[in-house]
Amino acid sequence: GEDVEQSLFLSVREGDSSVINCTYTDSSSTYLYWYKQEPGAGLQLLTYIFSNMDMKQDQRLTVLLNKKDKHLSLRIADTQTGDSAIYFCAEGTGGGNKLTFGTGTQLKVEL
Amino acid sequence: NAGVTQTPKFQVLKTGQSMTLQCAQDMNHNSMYWYRQDPGMGLRLIYYSASEGTTDKGEVPNGYNVSRLNKREFSLRLESAAPSQTSVYFCASSVTGVDNQPQHFGDGTRLSIL
Repeated sequence: GEDVEQSLFLSVREGDSSVINCTYTDSSSTYLYWYKQEPGAGLQLLTYIFSNMDMKQDQRLTVLLNKKDKHLSLRIADTQTGDSAIYFCAEGTGGGNKLTFGTGTQLKVEL
Repeated sequence: NAGVTQTPKFQVLKTGQSMTLQCAQDMNHNSMYWYRQDPGMGLRLIYYSASEGTTDKGEVPNGYNVSRLNKREFSLRLESAAPSQTSVYFCASSVTGVDNQPQHFGDGTRLSIL
């Protein structure tokens, strides 16, 4: 079955770049997503990338996809304290738009 | 602009009690989903409904039932709550059949079973 893995924690200093990594197993995924969860809230879609793309940039966010290695990363430039949250990687498995989520990476931004 | 609304936001139950979690969306989405979120395990799909009148099991359906009451509403029922069902439950919805559209999430129901 599908499996999505992420490291559980990442700590960075304010102003530095953050890189959150994700690996997945389903080669038939058509879309890969990054969601952000702030404390006590639901998941908000940050960005997504179609599987035939290598990179997508959206303001401070850069998504890189290595389809050969099934590796996805999210880079946040100039990380701010408001970026502290849990970040989930997810892959689209088709048919009814079911998603498989990773375990989530808790990003802590220190002053 | 409500999006996905879940009720209640918090609930404490005793083992063996029953409860229905409610979810409604106002985005005219066909597909709706129920997930549970546990520490270190991400989100796991309990049940989903690709369209009104249809429901299917996800990864962890045991101990739960669902009802797709109409296009807007998708409820999750715990018939006999167990401590292992202590979790945060999220409802989501999405468009179906137009590429792989993102899912939109509610704010969650925090459920504790004593």
